[in-house]
Amino acid sequence: DTAVSQTPKYLVTQMGNDKSIKCEQNLGHDTMYWYKQDSKKFLKIMFSYNNKELIINETVPNRFSPKSPDKAHLNLHINSLELGDSAVYFCASSQNRASEKLFFGSGTQLSVL
Amino acid sequence: QQPVQSPQAVILREGEDAVINCSSSKALYSVHWYRQKHGEAPVFLMILLKGGEQKGHDKISASFNEKKQQSSLYLTASQLSYSGTYFCGTERRDSGSARQLTFGSGTQLTVLP
Repeated sequence: DTAVSQTPKYLVTQMGNDKSIKCEQNLGHDTMYWYKQDSKKFLKIMFSYNNKELIINETVPNRFSPKSPDKAHLNLHINSLELGDSAVYFCASSQNRASEKLFFGSGTQLSVL
Repeated sequence: QQPVQSPQAVILREGEDAVINCSSSKALYSVHWYRQKHGEAPVFLMILLKGGEQKGHDKISASFNEKKQQSSLYLTASQLSYSGTYFCGTERRDSGSARQLTFGSGTQLTVLP
């Protein structure tokens, strides 16, 4: 069983569209994250939720909206997609907000045409 | 601000040693190391919390020089399975209550038979 699973793995879409990426963890962790990996391979945190509560919100355009229906799920919705949104998006989880170890999903490669 | 990793890429033969460096311009609380194989999720290797601390994981070890704000990852007697991209993640002393990692751009390690 995959610990942190993301869908879809690949997402190709046109500029201006709205898309969502789903993430689920079956580890019983309290904290979940979204990271963006750009073309230069930098992994940059976008959001973090702890027990469904937003605790980290980096400088990310308002077009990006995370939603956590329960502590096992953290979805990312992106409105009005732009070319610069093309990247690999990783979901991750940790046991709690103070935990040292992140468990990453396998990533969603988003290509905006 | 992202930590700087060097080298960007390294190619070695099985059995050879390698060192990957990670440095930050800001005071650090901790340094985390992850390995990502192509198309897969980054996987946690180790965390270093104290200045001067060294940790080992099989034949992979790391050190943390708090004064220099640097960490080094040592891979001894490389195996084919060590191939992948290695990321350091740094946590600054002025971080808030939630852990917030900033990752470097990665070092691509290729081990040849």
